[in-house]
Amino acid sequence: AQRVTQPEKLLSVFKGAPVELKCNYSYSGSPELFWYVQYSRQRLQLLLRHISRESIKGFTADLNKGETSFHLKKPFAQEEDSAMYYCALKSGAGSYQLTFGKGTKLSVIP
Amino acid sequence: DSGVTQTPKHLITATGQRVTLRCSPRSGDLSVYWYQQSLDQGLQFLIQYYNGEERAKGNILERFSAQQFPDLHSELNLSSLELGDSALYFCASSRLNTGELFFGEGSRLTVL
Repeated sequence: AQRVTQPEKLLSVFKGAPVELKCNYSYSGSPELFWYVQYSRQRLQLLLRHISRESIKGFTADLNKGETSFHLKKPFAQEEDSAMYYCALKSGAGSYQLTFGKGTKLSVIP
Repeated sequence: DSGVTQTPKHLITATGQRVTLRCSPRSGDLSVYWYQQSLDQGLQFLIQYYNGEERAKGNILERFSAQQFPDLHSELNLSSLELGDSALYFCASSRLNTGELFFGEGSRLTVL
């Protein structure tokens, strides 16, 4: 069975400090990993996906198959980054199911 | 607004009752997903439909059922409700199977 673990329920950092939101997954095949974000009073939306290898709003995430991790990083946190972040896994291109972690609430202290 | 629309936004009912949650996907999206978010449980995948056909099933209880209609809207039926069914129920839609889902605002169900 596939599983996504986000060990931190809450992460508080100061503005300008580096941010790392942890995500570990368990899946034996070739997964596709995603980060979703929910800002206050907004809908849950896609932030980035590992296949695209893109940087969105300064965030990056690298898929580490050896450590089965997909941590989300940003070198300098901004107040507007405060939000709920969810890591999600899709078990391959043919799969339709997206499995989410329980989420980490990021609070950036001014 | 051509985003995902869910009704009702809030619903309060009693144990043993039955409710129907409705979802209209984004224009052009053929896939609809249902998720349940309970306290401390994160987003639990329930079921997914593509163009009227069930494509994936998660941890959906037998008391729950869903369907997608020819006009692509979907309904999630919850019956014999229990206190533990109180949750936020999200619908999401997608056009392609890329993993990019577009979420609605959710329907908050409270079972008393």
